[in-house]
Amino acid sequence: EPEVTQTPSHQVTQMGQEVILRCVPISNHLYFYWYRQILGQKVEFLVSFYNNEISEKSEIFDDQFSVERPDGSNFTLKIRSTKLEDSAMYFCANRGDLETQYFGPGTRLLVL
Amino acid sequence: RKEVEQDPGPFNVPEGATVAFNCTYSNSASQSFFWYRQDCRKEPKLLMSVYSSGNEDGRFTAQLNRASQYISLLIRDSKLSDSATYLCVVNMDTGRRALTFGSGTRLQVQP
Repeated sequence: EPEVTQTPSHQVTQMGQEVILRCVPISNHLYFYWYRQILGQKVEFLVSFYNNEISEKSEIFDDQFSVERPDGSNFTLKIRSTKLEDSAMYFCANRGDLETQYFGPGTRLLVL
Repeated sequence: RKEVEQDPGPFNVPEGATVAFNCTYSNSASQSFFWYRQDCRKEPKLLMSVYSSGNEDGRFTAQLNRASQYISLLIRDSKLSDSATYLCVVNMDTGRRALTFGSGTRLQVQP
């Protein structure tokens, strides 16, 4: 099965700090997504990205969040000023032309 | 009404049992349907896509009823390794649209 990788696996940060979560997508899979899962809750969509621009975002994805592909391969999610409620598991997902999305192992973010 | 609704369980079944999970979705225009499996503190992993004609993969059978907006998953001959949370997932539209997840149904298979 194709594999998406994410770094770091865990991140602990202080409230108000910036964090960058990284994703290495599957080669030639051009649709990118970020999801988050707060502990004990369901997986929630944050943003989708295609052709170097955001194609859709949820109400969660406010001005504190941004995404980019800085080097044309890795895909990043930046949270500018973290809040306590940003503590969650963040999953990158990736798909090709078919509908199936493949998820990375996630980054567990803890904001103190 | 929740977009994707599932019974949270837990379903506690003995090894070898047959267990069925149900899911309903609110958007009649939904295009694609999936069952994902999620182990504790891990990422969702695709179990199978769900087609109108129904589909089977080994011990797993998925069914879709578009008229009732209802999806099911049947697991036969349960194994201990089937213990996980099963996520009903819907793509509300084609193209770049995101997946909408149910809250999951927890299955615990006991020896």
